[in-house]
Amino acid sequence: KNQVEQSPQSLIILEGKNCTLQCNYTVSPFSNLRWYKQDTGRGPVSLTIMTFSENTKSNGRYTATLDADTKQSSLHITASQLSDSASYICVVSGILTGGGNKLTFGTGTQLKVEL
Amino acid sequence: NAGVTQTPKFRVLKTGQSMTLLCAQDMNHEYMYWYRQDPGMGLRLIHYSVGEGTTAKGEVPDGYNVSRLKKQNFLLGLESAAPSQTSVYFCASSYVTGTQFNEQFFGPGTRLTVL
Repeated sequence: KNQVEQSPQSLIILEGKNCTLQCNYTVSPFSNLRWYKQDTGRGPVSLTIMTFSENTKSNGRYTATLDADTKQSSLHITASQLSDSASYICVVSGILTGGGNKLTFGTGTQLKVEL
Repeated sequence: NAGVTQTPKFRVLKTGQSMTLLCAQDMNHEYMYWYRQDPGMGLRLIHYSVGEGTTAKGEVPDGYNVSRLKKQNFLLGLESAAPSQTSVYFCASSYVTGTQFNEQFFGPGTRLTVL
């Protein structure tokens, strides 16, 4: 069964600190891995997309890593800001019949950044 | 551009009532998707469409119907609502790029409660 597991479930850090979120997956076949940010009451917004041949991708203060051999990914947030408070969702992509991407979503890590 | 919009934002139904959720996108995307998000679970695909006039079942299609009469609109219908359909519903759309990425853009969500 295709699964995406994230840890920790929730995390509280002080503003300005760094943090790393983890993702393990068992999705097959694998096309790419994505990290999304979801603010409370909003839809998910893409942060990074990586294929199996890429092992790191950055988007500003967000850096994602991927180890396709161990089926693990991480999202590192540098110099956290209050606006980083959100749910971060790991998503693994396969292919839908007829086209499009079949996305398997993790349950997310709820991050809270405090003063 | 408004991106992906959803109507309504909130709705309360009684068991057995019917309703239609409307999704509209102004990005000329070919693919559109309906997801539901429940506490403690990742987003799950209900139905999707790879073009005007075509629809297909996703992971959890039972109790829902969809229609894509116009390229920019994707409707999700509940014929006889049940309490198990209480959820937050997200619509998404994506390009046909010929690559594997097909970035999905999400709407703001519709919070549905069935009593």
